[in-house]
Amino acid sequence: SNELTQPSSVSVSPGQTARITCSGDVLSKQYAYWFQQRPGQAPVMVIYKDNERPSGIPERFSGSSSGTKVTLTISGVQAEDEADYYCQSADSNGTYAHVLFGGGTKLSVL
Amino acid sequence: QVQLQESGPGLVEPSETLSLTCTVSGGSIKNYFWTWIRQPPGKGLEWIAHMYETGSSNYSPSLKSRVTISVDMSKNHFSLKLTSVTAADTAVYYCARGVPSEDYFYMDVWGKGTTVTVSS
Repeated sequence: SNELTQPSSVSVSPGQTARITCSGDVLSKQYAYWFQQRPGQAPVMVIYKDNERPSGIPERFSGSSSGTKVTLTISGVQAEDEADYYCQSADSNGTYAHVLFGGGTKLSVL
Repeated sequence: QVQLQESGPGLVEPSETLSLTCTVSGGSIKNYFWTWIRQPPGKGLEWIAHMYETGSSNYSPSLKSRVTISVDMSKNHFSLKLTSVTAADTAVYYCARGVPSEDYFYMDVWGKGTTVTVSS
């Protein structure tokens, strides 16, 4: 199916490692992208093409891919990382592909 | 540094047409994809449509019959029109820039979003 599935919530303590997963058949063929959305703010891309980090994004953010699952890992979680995280991909190649978003995962820093 | 700014009415009556514009500043509208995404209150992100500067476009299947997007290179902005709106179209609407990469694109810059409420 052309759906991306994420856990609705993940909780970690400060300094621990948070792992947020995203599953979907398209991920075996298409890249994944991750966005962070803090309350009341626009999404910000934190990972592109599975594991590339845009300039200005802290090194504690990393991405990995295996088959139909991708994972966003946040090492040494800080209070400011508390946000919603969305994975994104596409249902095919080319400019006529449809953009897909996962349902989002709320990361709570306890 | 490129910035995007959405603009348009914050309140639209049911059955009317929602019209939004995204103005691109600090960069060119050429050689990029331009995308509209929305987020209903308390819900996740939903892709609406995207367009390349050449005019080729693609629409969400669930909205295709009601959506039109266009690019105006002379004004460095792009627009969204959504017809026959209902309360279900109430959302924060975002525009985003898509950077071409291999045979797809990724959305690296987003506007701050504009809230649109459908109500009489």
